[in-house]
Amino acid sequence: NAGVTQTPKFQVLKTGQSMTLQCAQDMNHEYMSWYRQDPGMGLRLIHYSVGAGITDQGEVPNGYNVSRSTTEDFPLRLLSAAPSQTSVYFCASSYAGGSGYTFGSGTRLTVV
Amino acid sequence: AQTVTQSQPEMSVQEAETVTLSCTYDTSESNYYLFWYKQPPSRQMILVIRQEAYKQQNATENRFSVNFQKAAKSFSLKISDSQLGDTAMYFCAFSRRADNYGQNFVFGPGTRLSVLP
Repeated sequence: NAGVTQTPKFQVLKTGQSMTLQCAQDMNHEYMSWYRQDPGMGLRLIHYSVGAGITDQGEVPNGYNVSRSTTEDFPLRLLSAAPSQTSVYFCASSYAGGSGYTFGSGTRLTVV
Repeated sequence: AQTVTQSQPEMSVQEAETVTLSCTYDTSESNYYLFWYKQPPSRQMILVIRQEAYKQQNATENRFSVNFQKAAKSFSLKISDSQLGDTAMYFCAFSRRADNYGQNFVFGPGTRLSVLP
């Protein structure tokens, strides 16, 4: 089925560990983004990309890196996990022109 | 910067009744998009309805409709004939039309809706 695939669905990390959250879409969307969801705060933009090779920072980029080598993939790297990064992470993609996002199913990350 | 406010953290409604969720936003833009997303307990984010600010006609999708008041910067969601499957977190979101790729999506904090049998 066409859509946005995120892996893993759940992850527990120790403080200081690094990891990569994977995101892939098969809809040929040019735009992809990463959000984190925290209780009472909605979704906040971490990083986004408007096409292969082009990325930029969102509202809360510190502690995260991204790259976009292909249209399909947009991984999010946590460099040195901190308890403040405990959250639910969503990857999303869209066409241009305000068509709305298609979201992945999310990754629940706990940093202990 | 744009902000989106949802003043009702939690709401409940009886099955088959109608409920309205409120959303207000702040922007200096004249062209933009507004969205309502639903997040059921499965955690999946689902697009419910979309409104283009330059269109005066309110968007409708089956049992879901909006009341878009551009001057008041208000974008409420009405759910008619509520069903148990409507139980979810609902997020209001704003996107500038100037951003072709919508990278400036701003989400409200959400309203948790419970549909009671």
